[in-house]
Amino acid sequence: GAGVSQSPSNKVTEKGKDVELRCDPISGHTALYWYRQSLGQGLEFLIYFQGNSAPDKSGLPSDRFSAERTGGSVSTLTIQRTQQEDSAVYLCASSPLAGERADTQYFGPGTRLTVL
Amino acid sequence: AQSVTQLDSHVSVSEGTPVLLRCNYSSSYSPSLFWYVQHPNKGLQLLLKYTSAATLVKGINGFEAEFKKSETSFHLTKPSAHMSDAAEYFCVVRAAMDTGRRALTFGSGTRLQVQP
Repeated sequence: GAGVSQSPSNKVTEKGKDVELRCDPISGHTALYWYRQSLGQGLEFLIYFQGNSAPDKSGLPSDRFSAERTGGSVSTLTIQRTQQEDSAVYLCASSPLAGERADTQYFGPGTRLTVL
Repeated sequence: AQSVTQLDSHVSVSEGTPVLLRCNYSSSYSPSLFWYVQHPNKGLQLLLKYTSAATLVKGINGFEAEFKKSETSFHLTKPSAHMSDAAEYFCVVRAAMDTGRRALTFGSGTRLQVQP
C-alpha cells in the first residue's frame, strides 16, 4: 500500500518568509509525528499527534513553529519568519493506534528546506 | 529521560566480512529499541525492533541485534557485509508503550562503508 508522503520534496525560501510543509500519513494510522534532520543537531523530535488528544509539542524549537492536523489525517507544519538555522530535512512519520505495529513509526521521504 | 549513544560515527568493512555497529542506551523506563537505516537520498527504513520479547532480534537483510540489559547495549550485527549495506544507521530508543510517550530519540548515526 501507499506509504507516508510529503510535499514539497524540496523548498527554497528567503529568510523571513513563512513556509508550509505537508504530510499525508498512511491510511488508517492515527498517530502522526514530525521530526527534523539537520547537520548540526541530528534527528530531533518536533511534535506528535494522536487522534483527538492534545498534541505533544515538547520538541518544537520556538514559537515560530506550529503544526496542525485536520480531520485526523493530513498534517501541515508551518514555520513563520524562517531563519537560516531552520534549514534541514523535515521528516513525517505515522503509526497505527494498536496492534503489533503500533510501536513502529513509518517515515516519509522528507522535505528538504533551504533558507537563503 | 532517555538517550542513545552510537559509539562509532564511521565504520568501514570489506565486502563479505562481519558488521558490528555499537549502540548504548539510557532510559528511565523499560525501553523499546530500534535500528533504522537511511540510504543516500532515501527515507528512513526500519531494520528491526526490540519491544521486551526475545532479546535477540532478527531484522531485514540479514541484520540482527541483541538487547543486553546488564550492559544497556543494543548492538547491530550482520555476518557478511554486502555493497548494498553502505548507508547511515540510526539506533533509536522510545519509552515503553504504556508510558504514553511516543517520541523517538535518535542516536547520532553511524555511516557504514563497504569496500569491495
